[in-house]
Amino acid sequence: DQQVKQNSPSLSVQEGRISILNCDYTNSMFDYFLWYKKYPAEGPTFLISISSIKDKNEDGRFTVFLNKSAKHLSLHIVPSQPGDSAVYFCAAKSQGAQKLVFGQGTRLTINP
Amino acid sequence: KAGVTQTPRYLIKTRGQQVTLSCSPISGHRSVSWYQQTPGQGLQFLFEYFSETQRNKGNFPGRFSGRQFSNSRSEMNVSTLELGDSALYLCASSQTGKARETQYFGPGTRLLVL
Repeated sequence: DQQVKQNSPSLSVQEGRISILNCDYTNSMFDYFLWYKKYPAEGPTFLISISSIKDKNEDGRFTVFLNKSAKHLSLHIVPSQPGDSAVYFCAAKSQGAQKLVFGQGTRLTINP
Repeated sequence: KAGVTQTPRYLIKTRGQQVTLSCSPISGHRSVSWYQQTPGQGLQFLFEYFSETQRNKGNFPGRFSGRQFSNSRSEMNVSTLELGDSALYLCASSQTGKARETQYFGPGTRLLVL
């Protein structure tokens, strides 16, 4: 049972435009959500997180939106840069648990 | 501050052998988690240690085990290796293991089982 889903395996965006990556979850016990960026043969790099008590969190070019009623979150990258090309993973944690549950990832390609 | 370090970075083993992977967390971090990444299953949680005690365990067979030392360094061991154990093994650390806390990942150990 896939509790965290990233339905788009890949996304291609023009440099300078907005990249929007989406993530859906099914477990209503999740209360903390994170986005990681990953290059091949490297560990995931933390980007941004959001607690379930918020609906938006910003950090520079990265903004995460959380819609609890829809069990949906999205990561916006503005403006997109070539260095943003990587695989992006959405992850979720439930209260009291240390375990991260990951989506399958979305490969983002930024075209010059 | 130095990040999470993992050794070795690459390993080649044959079926039936056993392997031990090592992880040093970020200084001051006491919670260490292990994950397995494969093309088919994605990133899956193996187990988490805090203060030398295993607190959480994922859905993996008993061939996968781990431990944590008093300095928070952790090792994971896989016995009787199978071809399907070929994967990237990732270690992540956080300060206390509280739920709303970010985990920071190491570069991983790539294990190939022949």
